[in-house]
Amino acid sequence: DIQMTQSPSSLSASVGDRVTITCQASQDISKYLNWYQQKPGKAPKLLIYDASNLETGVPSRFSGSGSGTDFTFTISSLQPEDIGTYYCQQYENLPLTFGGGTKVEIK
Amino acid sequence: EVRLVDSGGGLVQPGGSLRLSCAASGFTFRSYAMSWVRQAPGKGLEWVSGISSSGGTTYYPESVKGRFSISRDNSKNTLYLQMNSLRAEDTALYYCAKLRAAVTSLFDYWGQGTLVTVSS
Repeated sequence: DIQMTQSPSSLSASVGDRVTITCQASQDISKYLNWYQQKPGKAPKLLIYDASNLETGVPSRFSGSGSGTDFTFTISSLQPEDIGTYYCQQYENLPLTFGGGTKVEIK
Repeated sequence: EVRLVDSGGGLVQPGGSLRLSCAASGFTFRSYAMSWVRQAPGKGLEWVSGISSSGGTTYYPESVKGRFSISRDNSKNTLYLQMNSLRAEDTALYYCAKLRAAVTSLFDYWGQGTLVTVSS
């Protein structure tokens, strides 16, 4: 199975800050990496697919980059509505696997 | 508008069985692969099954293989998850999720989840 390691597991930042989350795969997954946002008490929502493509309707302050084993997710200017937990997910191979999540809070 | 409505969760004893359902609307159900993803209380996301658009091919991780069975009825736009030999570690919120393409792709829509509690 492909292991996905996310860091940090949690972070606290101020409104307007730039926030960066990393995700490392245990083997080469090319660009087959997605990012989801899960707000408290809600189902996950797709934000970024294929490492760097912004899902339709998602604000442009969210972005992703990377390929192979190392990926980065960025919120360029943190907003109050961005609080929640963010997960990466690989689909290069089955079983589909997720990172452990990064909980984002407002300082 | 795509809508996925999960149901069928509840309290079940260890070793028991439960069948979850997911009613889909707002898209051509028979054209898309589907999956179930679960989330234990306070924990992360775990993929637990996938099924091709026709229903002819199914996929499971080792953690549930032989105990869980995913199926679909394309005439009723409904996805199912039959869970047998349930264990305490199967306690979780179970989400139905639509895949954008094949089973090895991304989850573009999710249900609201249905809670399964395995306890005596």
